[in-house]
Formats: sequence, structure tokens, C-alpha cells
Amino acid sequence: DSGVTQTPKHLITATGQRVTLRCSPRSGDLSVYWYQQSLDQGLQFLIQYYNGEERAKGNILERFSAQQFPDLHSELNLSSLELGDSALYFCASSASRQPRGSPLHFGNGTRLTVT
Amino acid sequence: AQKVTQAQTEISVVEKEDVTLDCVYETRDTTYYLFWYKQPPSGELVFLIRRNSFDEQNEISGRYSWNFQKSTSSFNFTITASQVVDSAVYFCALSEGAGAQKLVFGQGTRLTINP
Repeated sequence: DSGVTQTPKHLITATGQRVTLRCSPRSGDLSVYWYQQSLDQGLQFLIQYYNGEERAKGNILERFSAQQFPDLHSELNLSSLELGDSALYFCASSASRQPRGSPLHFGNGTRLTVT
Repeated sequence: AQKVTQAQTEISVVEKEDVTLDCVYETRDTTYYLFWYKQPPSGELVFLIRRNSFDEQNEISGRYSWNFQKSTSSFNFTITASQVVDSAVYFCALSEGAGAQKLVFGQGTRLTINP
């Protein structure tokens, strides 16, 4: 058990809808990362937050947004969903502010299916 | 741009055989970190090992060993006396960017250990 909690585990929704994925990092970890795993793109970095502030952005669509709250949990909001957004979304956390060497600890993921 | 290549898409061996998973990376950074993660059928991503660019010592952990060679930009992973429980997708990853842990993942190698 990595200590990173993601909810829900599965999500099925229709095109055009909006969903929110939630992540609680490991106790004490200040950084939260979101990754998307799809069959065609593999594992892609979306966005990182550190202690409530956005630190880095990757291949995140404008229809997607995220935030990290004072209690350090994070939410990833996906809107105007398309079939291609179906994927496994991972949250990860790490301890330090510049954690290049720190391993990321991943949650179990949320599997999103857009129909 | 940084890139990680895992040329072996799928490997299938019989239990107790040794198996090596290849990872080749590209980076212009002089300081970087390499990682291996395991994704079992249940879907979570499990951290296995981290190696920094200044430490070329090979590492052994039980049946697992890692061979890092800067001269060939490779970070290969060997499982000795494989077991059915080793069946999983294995990802090699490279840290990218100063101050942020934007892991760049390879496409993964699906390893199947047959009884």
C-alpha cells in the first residue's frame, strides 16, 4: 500500500460530461502529481502541485484542471469529456519541494470510461 | 527532449528462467534520475528502484538486479529465477526538469511468467 488514496476507483460517464477525481497524498507529502495512462499515449505527466501551488504542467488539456487544497488533497477536474479521455488516471505524491531524486508513490488509479 | 525506450513490448518466459528487461534513455542533463516501476494486473504502480546519474554501481535486491551503464545510456533490469508473481508490466522512467519531478516513462514491457 503506497499510502496514496484515489477515489473513485471506477467512473463511467457520457461524452460532454464533467467529472472530478480525488486524491489524498501520503501523510507528510506536500507534492501531488497527476498522470494519465492510455493505450496510445502511455503514461503521461499532467500536472504537479506543491503545498497548494501549481509547480509544473505537462500535457494537460485546457478542458482539464486541478487544484490542491489546504489539507493537501487534490482534485482533477475533467470537463467536456470525449471518448479519447478514457484512461487510467494516477495520482502520485512525494515529500520534498524539489524531488528530482525522490521516488513518486502512486495511488491505485481511477479508471475513467467515457461512453 | 528526454526519452525512454523499452524496445521489448512483451516477454514471455517459463518460471525459474532469468529475464532481462532493457531500458535505453536519452537526456542532455548531466544530473538525472532513473526509476523502475512495476504495474501488476491489479493496476497500481509500484516503485522498485531509483538510480542517480552519478552512481553507476549495480544494485541487487533479492532476485532483482539493475545494471546502469552511462556509456550506453542503459538501465537494464534482471529478474533471476523468475516466478509467476513477477508477471506484470514494468516501466522504466527518467526524471526531467529541475525542481519538478516530471517523470518520462517508457512504453513498458509486459512480462509474463508461465508456470
